[in-house]
Amino acid sequence: DTGVSQNPRHKITKRGQNVTFRCDPISEHNRLYWYRQTLGQGPEFLTYFQNEAQLEKSRLLSDRFSAERPKGSFSTLEIQRTEQGDSAMYLCASREGLEYEQYFGPGTRLTVT
Amino acid sequence: AQSVTQLDSHVSVSEGTPVLLRCNYSSSYSPSLFWYVQHPNKGLQLLLKYTSAATLVKGINGFEAEFKKSETSFHLTKPSAHMSDAAEYFCVVSERYSGYALNFGKGTSLLVTP
Repeated sequence: DTGVSQNPRHKITKRGQNVTFRCDPISEHNRLYWYRQTLGQGPEFLTYFQNEAQLEKSRLLSDRFSAERPKGSFSTLEIQRTEQGDSAMYLCASREGLEYEQYFGPGTRLTVT
Repeated sequence: AQSVTQLDSHVSVSEGTPVLLRCNYSSSYSPSLFWYVQHPNKGLQLLLKYTSAATLVKGINGFEAEFKKSETSFHLTKPSAHMSDAAEYFCVVSERYSGYALNFGKGTSLLVTP
């Protein structure tokens, strides 16, 4: 399967703990996006990479959130000192170029207790 | 920023009847518009996209949408609903900034009854 993959698929953590999610994009895609989807809402943009460079961050991305794409391949999203409001589905998408479709992964569902 | 408004949060149709999911957009320039579908516990899938070519756009699974600049609308239609069409549908506009990130509407939940 050459689609976008995300791990883990589910994560339950206690408030205050740190969590890290991983996204593996489609191999030739140089652009990678993270979105967050809360219950009953559409996904919201968090951040964007072109190769290893993080070019844009949403105001939704507080200083507790950090994302990396060290070699321009997979990406990680870390949330420090999790809060209950961080509970959501975290989606990753990749695309080959700006004129191409974004392909979404299945998401990581985070539950903060 | 570009935005979309989905006018119905829930739509219920009978199997075999037409589907209409409504979306209005707000944009200061000619937008790129999309419809995505999300089935329970599955990833988002692109149904169709409009990028300033033909105003009537055909997508997968018999869906189509018409871009109407005068009405700032991009409604999604299908002549005959199938049970498998039951899902969450998102109208989406592409931002010029943020690497053309996608700006999603709140979604319309489509229920198809036998």
